[in-house]
Amino acid sequence: DTGVSQNPRHKITKRGQNVTFRCDPISEHNRLYWYRQTLGQGPEFLTYFQNEAQLEKSRLLSDRFSAERPKGSFSTLEIQRTEQGDSAMYLCASSLGLAGDNEQFFGPGTRLTVL
Amino acid sequence: GQSLEQPSEVTAVEGAIVQINCTYQTSGFYGLSWYQQHDGGAPTFLSYNALDGLEETGRFSSFLSRSDSYGYLLLQELQMKDSASYFCAVRDGTRAGTALIFGKGTTLSVSS
Repeated sequence: DTGVSQNPRHKITKRGQNVTFRCDPISEHNRLYWYRQTLGQGPEFLTYFQNEAQLEKSRLLSDRFSAERPKGSFSTLEIQRTEQGDSAMYLCASSLGLAGDNEQFFGPGTRLTVL
Repeated sequence: GQSLEQPSEVTAVEGAIVQINCTYQTSGFYGLSWYQQHDGGAPTFLSYNALDGLEETGRFSSFLSRSDSYGYLLLQELQMKDSASYFCAVRDGTRAGTALIFGKGTTLSVSS
């Protein structure tokens, strides 16, 4: 399968714990995005990378959230001291960049439940 | 600010035609995209309009009027498998048009 993959698919954690999600984009895509989606809403932008550089972060991304893409390939999203409000589907997407930005390829997401 | 408005729900029967409208407000316009998302699935790209007019891809067509800040997705010969959520999206003009801003989605229910 050459699509975007995300791990784990589901994560249940207790409030205050740290969690880390991984995203493997399509190999030739240089742009990688993280979005968050809650029930009944569209995906909301969190951050994006051009190769290994994190070029933009949303105001939604509090200082408890950190993302990395160390070698310009896979990316990780860490949430520290999780809160119940962090419960959501975390989606990763990738694109070729520039003209390809309108067509973003999404992974299946990681569903986070904070108890 | 930037926002998109679309109906929350649409129902139709198999074989029918349905139109999902989207109006948008954005600073810097880079085109209107449509994505489909089945329950529990990932959003998948359907179409993109940068210029006014109609783009046709099989049973799906998408229309854009930049002067009206309006677009629609037209689904023809509806099938049960078309039951899903449909999102219109624009690129974020405040971020050099990279991130996508999505509407809240329209849930389409197709019955037999």
